[in-house]
Amino acid sequence: GNSVTQMEGPVTLSEEAFLTINCTYTATGYPSLFWYVQYPGEGLQLLLKATKADDKGSNKGFEATYRKETTSFHLEKGSVQVSDSAVYFCALKGSSGGGADGLTFGKGTHLIIQP
Amino acid sequence: GAGVSQSPSNKVTEKGKDVELRCDPISGHTALYWYRQSLGQGLEFLIYFQGNSAPDKSGLPSDRFSAERTGGSVSTLTIQRTQQEDSAVYLCASSLVVGSNQPQHFGDGTRLSIL
Repeated sequence: GNSVTQMEGPVTLSEEAFLTINCTYTATGYPSLFWYVQYPGEGLQLLLKATKADDKGSNKGFEATYRKETTSFHLEKGSVQVSDSAVYFCALKGSSGGGADGLTFGKGTHLIIQP
Repeated sequence: GAGVSQSPSNKVTEKGKDVELRCDPISGHTALYWYRQSLGQGLEFLIYFQGNSAPDKSGLPSDRFSAERTGGSVSTLTIQRTQQEDSAVYLCASSLVVGSNQPQHFGDGTRLSIL
């Protein structure tokens, strides 16, 4: 079956540091890949997505590239801010069955940015 | 409405009681998904609807769980004879159509606590 593995947290960085959150996946076919973010006290929000190999998703200074050869979708940001503190979830949606199944999520990475 | 609406936002009930959780998707979205977020299991996919039909119910944790959707809009998730392990945040999401590249938009969830 499908699975997503992301680095354990919490990850603590200083403001303006470079961020990488690793995500690797296992899936059959050609899944779509997503990063969702959950800010404190709020619901899950879509951060970015990529639907095919070598696509780069980007939003709010965050980027992730769909790497089929390494089955990875690492999240990066060049200079983090305190407001980026949140829990980040990597997720995939499989292409089997017409993509009708739900999202498969990683466990989440809690990011803490210190001023 | 503008986003996915879930009610109640919080529910506390005694073990053995039945509970009903409600989800109102984004207007015009034909696909609707239920997830459960708990400390031990992370985010788990439960069931999805394409219109009023739920093609695959195998993700539901037990036969105490059921879900329905009527009129292609509002959905209810019902848990009968609740147990303490049912305590979790239940999330609903919707997307325009079913498809592997369709982003899902999440509600704020219902936090269910079983005493």
